[in-house]
Amino acid sequence: DQQVKQNSPSLSVQEGRISILNCDYTNSMFDYFLWYKKYPAEGPTFLISISSIKDKNEDGRFTVFLNKSAKHLSLHIVPSQPGDSAVYFCAAFTGGGNKLTFGTGTQLKVEL
Amino acid sequence: DAMVIQNPRYQVTQFGKPVTLSCSQTLNHNVMYWYQQKSSQAPKLLFHYYDKDFNNEADTPDNFQSRRPNTSFCFLDIRSPGLGDAAMYLCATSRAMANEQFFGPGTRLTVL
Repeated sequence: DQQVKQNSPSLSVQEGRISILNCDYTNSMFDYFLWYKKYPAEGPTFLISISSIKDKNEDGRFTVFLNKSAKHLSLHIVPSQPGDSAVYFCAAFTGGGNKLTFGTGTQLKVEL
Repeated sequence: DAMVIQNPRYQVTQFGKPVTLSCSQTLNHNVMYWYQQKSSQAPKLLFHYYDKDFNNEADTPDNFQSRRPNTSFCFLDIRSPGLGDAAMYLCATSRAMANEQFFGPGTRLTVL
């Protein structure tokens, strides 16, 4: 049972445009969400997070939006750069626990 | 730089031959995790240590064991690897009750 779903395995955007990566979840007990970025042959690195008490968090070119009623979050990258090409994982926490539940990832390719 | 180190980066073993993967950290974090990630799938938590307390996921096969001799090191032992155990194994650390986990680069295990 996949509690965190990333339904788009891949996404291709042009440099300078907006990249929007989507994530859906089914467990209403999740109260903290994170996005990780992974380059080939490297481990995932933390990118940005959001608490369930917020609906938006911004850090430079990266913004995460949370729609709790729809159990949906999205990562916006503006403007997209070639160095953003990587696999992006959505992950979720249940409060008070140590367990991260990951999605299957979306491969982003930013083309010149 | 503080980091999470995994050795080896690539491991080849034979069917049924025990193998040990190593993880060390210089972050002095309380919690250490082992994840299994198969191709195009989400990283899946196998178990984690909160200090010396071992926490096994319910669906982790008995074939997988772990040791944490001290704060810095954690080992993953696969007693009798099967072909289905071929995967990327990711080690991660976090401070107690923190949401962000820091990942190592992973060990790619091949079972012949």
